[in-house]
Amino acid sequence: DAGITQSPRYKITETGRQVTLMCHQTWSHSYMFWYRQDLGHGLRLIYYSAAADITDKGEVPDGYVVSRSKTENFPLTLESATRSQTSVYFCASSEVAAFNEQYFGPGTRLTVT
Amino acid sequence: AQKVTQAQTEISVVEKEDVTLDCVYETRDTTYYLFWYKQPPSGELVFLIRRNSFDEQNEISGRYSWNFQKSTSSFNFTITASQVVDSAVYFCALNHRGFISNFGNEKLTFGTGTRLTIIP
Repeated sequence: DAGITQSPRYKITETGRQVTLMCHQTWSHSYMFWYRQDLGHGLRLIYYSAAADITDKGEVPDGYVVSRSKTENFPLTLESATRSQTSVYFCASSEVAAFNEQYFGPGTRLTVT
Repeated sequence: AQKVTQAQTEISVVEKEDVTLDCVYETRDTTYYLFWYKQPPSGELVFLIRRNSFDEQNEISGRYSWNFQKSTSSFNFTITASQVVDSAVYFCALNHRGFISNFGNEKLTFGTGTRLTIIP
């Protein structure tokens, strides 16, 4: 299906475990983004990517790792999950540059116990 | 520093009333873009509008209208004759360009959102 998808949609993991959230888009958009949404904070940018193999930190990158070997995929890895990383994670993509509207995936609700 | 403030955390209005959601932003850039997104109870984020800093004309789309005023750094959103389907969290966002990375550093900064409840 065309669009932007995230998997898994729900995940429960334990403190200290490594977790990878997947994001896939079918539009060949250059830019991709990872946000986390927490009550009282809105959406905060974790990492973003301007193209394959080009990534940069956002506002809250600590504890997260990203890679982008293919244009269509942008996985987010929590190297050693902590309870403070319990959140809803959104992936987004946009054409050309971030001043174009971003299209968001459905989100992944992650709970770290 | 780039910042977006949505001072209204929650608003409740009765159906068919008009409602305005406030958005105030801070930026040092002369070129920037402002956005509104809607997040209905189902959770997905839906793009509503983009406005660049050189275009201060008000925008109207059906029952939705946006008022951009650079003099007050505001980009307010009004829903006329509200409907229950308008119940959602609404986010205002600011795009700005930084100079940290070689390839550019355009990012969106979101406000904390306003939860709008339309009472039938």
